[in-house]
Amino acid sequence: EAQVTQNPRYLITVTGKKLTVTCSQNMNHEYMSWYRQDPGLGLRQIYYSMNVEVTDKGDVPEGYKVSRKEKRNFPLILESPSPNQTSLYFCASSLSGSQPQHFGDGTRLSIL
Amino acid sequence: GENVEQHPSTLSVQEGDSAVIKCTYSDSASNYFPWYKQELGKGPQLIIDIRSNVGEKKDQRIAVTLNKTAKHFSLHITETQPEDSAVYFCAASKAGGSYIPTFGRGTSLIVHP
Repeated sequence: EAQVTQNPRYLITVTGKKLTVTCSQNMNHEYMSWYRQDPGLGLRQIYYSMNVEVTDKGDVPEGYKVSRKEKRNFPLILESPSPNQTSLYFCASSLSGSQPQHFGDGTRLSIL
Repeated sequence: GENVEQHPSTLSVQEGDSAVIKCTYSDSASNYFPWYKQELGKGPQLIIDIRSNVGEKKDQRIAVTLNKTAKHFSLHITETQPEDSAVYFCAASKAGGSYIPTFGRGTSLIVHP
């Protein structure tokens, strides 16, 4: 089954404790992205990757890092999380920038 | 950069009625316009999309129209059913260049039985 898998689905942690949210897709897609969803603000792109070892900033990259060492994986790293990064996060993949995106089921992060 | 405005933010209809959600975009170079449905606890899922060389596209009870001159596109759902209740997002992007699709802020559709 074609899918994008994120882990963990839920995480409560404290300010400053490094965390990583993993994302994996099994569709051999070139493009992968991370979004955050906040009430009233819709989906905002954090980082995207057009291919292995190619990443670029989206609209709200501050406080986040990503890497794309393999085509299928695109982890999101919060090196020093802060409360304003409490949000619902989605990973997505697609064949190209102008093709439909396939989203994971989300990761709800709470930073205390 | 691109700016996408989506209206209304909330839409409440009776089962069987039609629902229309409208989006406007600012970048005339945008040429791909998908619509996503997000159910509670799930990620957004594509329901229909349209490209700039097409004015209208239909898929059963769902249709999307695009007016390139006015830079707006709309989602039409006919004969709404309770299972259509969800948050709907429009988006705009363009082939080539930086890959940053811009999403609208979402419309919460409530279909009352």
